[in-house]
Amino acid sequence: GQQVMQIPQYQHVQEGEDFTTYCNSSTTLSNIQWYKQRPGGHPVFLIQLVKSGEVKKQKRLTFQFGEAKKNSSLHITATQTTDVGTYFCAAPTDSWGKLQFGAGTQVVVTP
Amino acid sequence: NAGVTQTPKFQVLKTGQSMTLQCAQDMNHEYMSWYRQDPGMGLRLIHYSVGAGITDQGEVPNGYNVSRSTTEDFPLRLLSAAPSQTSVYFCASSYSGGEDEKLFFGSGTQLSVL
Repeated sequence: GQQVMQIPQYQHVQEGEDFTTYCNSSTTLSNIQWYKQRPGGHPVFLIQLVKSGEVKKQKRLTFQFGEAKKNSSLHITATQTTDVGTYFCAAPTDSWGKLQFGAGTQVVVTP
Repeated sequence: NAGVTQTPKFQVLKTGQSMTLQCAQDMNHEYMSWYRQDPGMGLRLIHYSVGAGITDQGEVPNGYNVSRSTTEDFPLRLLSAAPSQTSVYFCASSYSGGEDEKLFFGSGTQLSVL
């Protein structure tokens, strides 16, 4: 079945640096979503990508969907302490609304 | 709009006890689901529902029951709690599919089974 793999599992970043987290699937995806979970909080929806090669930006966050719709990335520029948390990618599986989540990338920011 | 409301926030059970985690949403969402979150394993789908009276199993359904008698409520029942069910549980809901199927999560229930 479909597997959604996310790397890296942990990311230590110096404040002001850039970093990227990646999400890869064994199958072609209809769409991919990204969520952020602050420590002690619940996941919050960030964005959904639907089209092949799609790129969307939210301030310092850039989301990309691969041409083959099997991978996605989240790039954060000039990391701030507010970026601390765990970032998850999620993709639908065999039926509507049945989202499969990656294991997440836990981001720690050092001032 | 309260969004997705989960109760309780914390719960400690003894092995073999049963309990129900409550979830309610006031956004008239058709789709509701339950996830459990364990360290290093992301969020795993337990059960989900695409509308009142319709439920289906997710990735890790064993030991859990659900029902959906109304659009608003989707309780999760632990039949006989086991230490392996110690986890953080999240309820989520969304509109119908397509490009608007983003999930809205509740604040979670931290469950410990001793």
